[in-house]
Amino acid sequence: QVQLQESGPGLVKPSQTLSLTCTVSGGSISSGDYYWSWIRQPPGKGLEWIGYIYYSGSTYYNPSLKSRVTISVDTSKNQFSLKLSSVTAADTAVYYCARGGITMIEPFDYWGQGTLVTVSS
Amino acid sequence: SYELTQPLSVSVALGQTARITCGGNNIGSKNVHWYQQKPGQAPVLVIYRDSNRPSGIPERFSGSNSGNTATLTISRAQAGDEADYYCQVWDSSTSYVFGTGTKVTVL
Repeated sequence: QVQLQESGPGLVKPSQTLSLTCTVSGGSISSGDYYWSWIRQPPGKGLEWIGYIYYSGSTYYNPSLKSRVTISVDTSKNQFSLKLSSVTAADTAVYYCARGGITMIEPFDYWGQGTLVTVSS
Repeated sequence: SYELTQPLSVSVALGQTARITCGGNNIGSKNVHWYQQKPGQAPVLVIYRDSNRPSGIPERFSGSNSGNTATLTISRAQAGDEADYYCQVWDSSTSYVFGTGTKVTVL
């Protein structure tokens, strides 16, 4: 059974960089069959896809966030990470990591439990 | 950009059928997935590629997709089906897109 677990600071100051890591267990990021995504959900609102990474390091980002997002992978630790720069209160959200199929028409079949990140001074 | 529109809320009597719509331009040509999200929990996939159920999802959940509307149907609704439901597609110009979400209340 694949499991994903987000970790990182729950509070970030405005204008700083949000950093989160997703640890994958029960399966290998390097299997090559999946894209590994970050998705967020502001309190009381809907879901927004942020971007994905392939085990090789290739990435694809939501155009609306592209200028501020960096996703990286560490296959030796079976982890992938998110950095979101120049954050504002609008970036306050629950951040989820999720697994998606290598063909983008596939769904997100496994999700982490999510971690709330609050942007506040 | 591609957008998916869902009703804000749907109410259903216990044991009856709930239908949740997801509207998008020519959505019938896309693969639609549906997620259930209960308060404080991560989304759970309940229907993938229009009408397929993952292992462990009750047969009461079904899906269809045609024209400009995809539909998630919950038959014999139970109290445990109360949740928010989101549709999702991949669009080549917009990337992964989620619907606006529908809150299902079982009366």
